[in-house]
Amino acid sequence: QQQVKQSPQSLIVQKGGISIINCAYENTAFDYFPWYQQFPGKGPALLIAIRPDVSEKKEGRFTISFNKSAKQFSLHIMDSQPGDSATYFCAASNGILTGGGNKLTFGTGTQLKVEL
Amino acid sequence: GAGVSQSPSNKVTEKGKDVELRCDPISGHTALYWYRQSLGQGLEFLIYFQGNSAPDKSGLPSDRFSAERTGGSVSTLTIQRTQQEDSAVYLCASSLARKGLNFGPGTRLTVL
Repeated sequence: QQQVKQSPQSLIVQKGGISIINCAYENTAFDYFPWYQQFPGKGPALLIAIRPDVSEKKEGRFTISFNKSAKQFSLHIMDSQPGDSATYFCAASNGILTGGGNKLTFGTGTQLKVEL
Repeated sequence: GAGVSQSPSNKVTEKGKDVELRCDPISGHTALYWYRQSLGQGLEFLIYFQGNSAPDKSGLPSDRFSAERTGGSVSTLTIQRTQQEDSAVYLCASSLARKGLNFGPGTRLTVL
């Protein structure tokens, strides 16, 4: 049973546009929602993360929007650049606040291509 | 500072052989994780270490898979009697308590 559903599978955006990737989760015990960026041949790198006590978090051009009642969260990349072309993974865990393991459940990824 | 390192970066083996994959976490990171990434798939959790103990090994797909961590640092993931379905990128990550995971570059395993 997939606990974190991610869409779309792939996305093409024009330079300067807004990229939006969506995720939905099932486990209401999740309390930590990060997004990871992965370039070919590299490991995933933490991009931005949110806790369920806030509805939005912004870091530079990257924003997470979180809807606890709908059990959904999304990543918005403003002013998308060709260098943003990568695979993006959403994830969720329920260990971060208890001091225990931060076992992440990942979505299946979105391949983003930003065209000139 | 140095990030998580993994070796080898690539491993090609024949079906039925045993393989060992190594992970060197960031110094001082108490938590260590192994994930598996198959082509076009998300990351699949394998095992989590806190110090040298593994409180969660629920993701290990079969008893052919095992892992250990020594000295609260280096970890080795061992796959015995490899099968073609074991082909994937094996990713290691480390973290401090209550912090995000820092992933290594992965080991690409190909089982012929």
